[in-house]
Amino acid sequence: DGGITQSPKYLFRKEGQNVTLSCEQNLNHDAMYWYRQDPGQGLRLIYYSQIVNDFQKGDIAEGYSVSREKKESFPLTVTSAQKNPTAFYLCASSIKEREGETQYFGPGTRLLVL
Amino acid sequence: AQSVTQLGSHVSVSEGALVLLRCNYSSSVPPYLFWYVQYPNQGLQLLLKYTTGATLVKGINGFEAEFKKSETSFHLTKPSAHMSDAAEYFCAVSGGGSARQLTFGSGTQLTVLP
Repeated sequence: DGGITQSPKYLFRKEGQNVTLSCEQNLNHDAMYWYRQDPGQGLRLIYYSQIVNDFQKGDIAEGYSVSREKKESFPLTVTSAQKNPTAFYLCASSIKEREGETQYFGPGTRLLVL
Repeated sequence: AQSVTQLGSHVSVSEGALVLLRCNYSSSVPPYLFWYVQYPNQGLQLLLKYTTGATLVKGINGFEAEFKKSETSFHLTKPSAHMSDAAEYFCAVSGGGSARQLTFGSGTQLTVLP
């Protein structure tokens, strides 16, 4: 069954702790994305990667880091420098189509601060 | 640069009534436009998209949207609301320098009243 998986579903972070959110896709998509969702603010792009071993900052990259060592995987680390990490985090992937591209989303990870 | 405005953060309709969710966009290049739906604590699911060609686009669950270039609009409609349509709906636009990046509106929460 093809799709995008994110784990864990819920994640708790203590002060000063780094945490890593997992995103895996078996759709053979080239590009992957991380978004942050806060109530009433829509989705904001954190990082994206168009190809393995390459990634670019989005609109709100400060306090986050990513890696893209495999086509299937794009983990996001929320570092202690991110002072307000409580949010819903969504991973997406896309592939070039005949006309444009469409992003497909995973089920999300909710990060809470203890 | 591109942007999306969704008029009305909350919309309520009675079951069986017309659903109309408004989306206006700005883009310096011909846009690709998308509507996504999000149920509580879940990821985003693609409802429909416009790339080129026919301006009236049909999607899943009986939804459709019409691209009106002169009005820079892409409103989402459904003739008859069902209780299961209650969710948050996001309009998004891509285009410009990096066609892979999506810009999202802030979302419209749809409530369906019995």
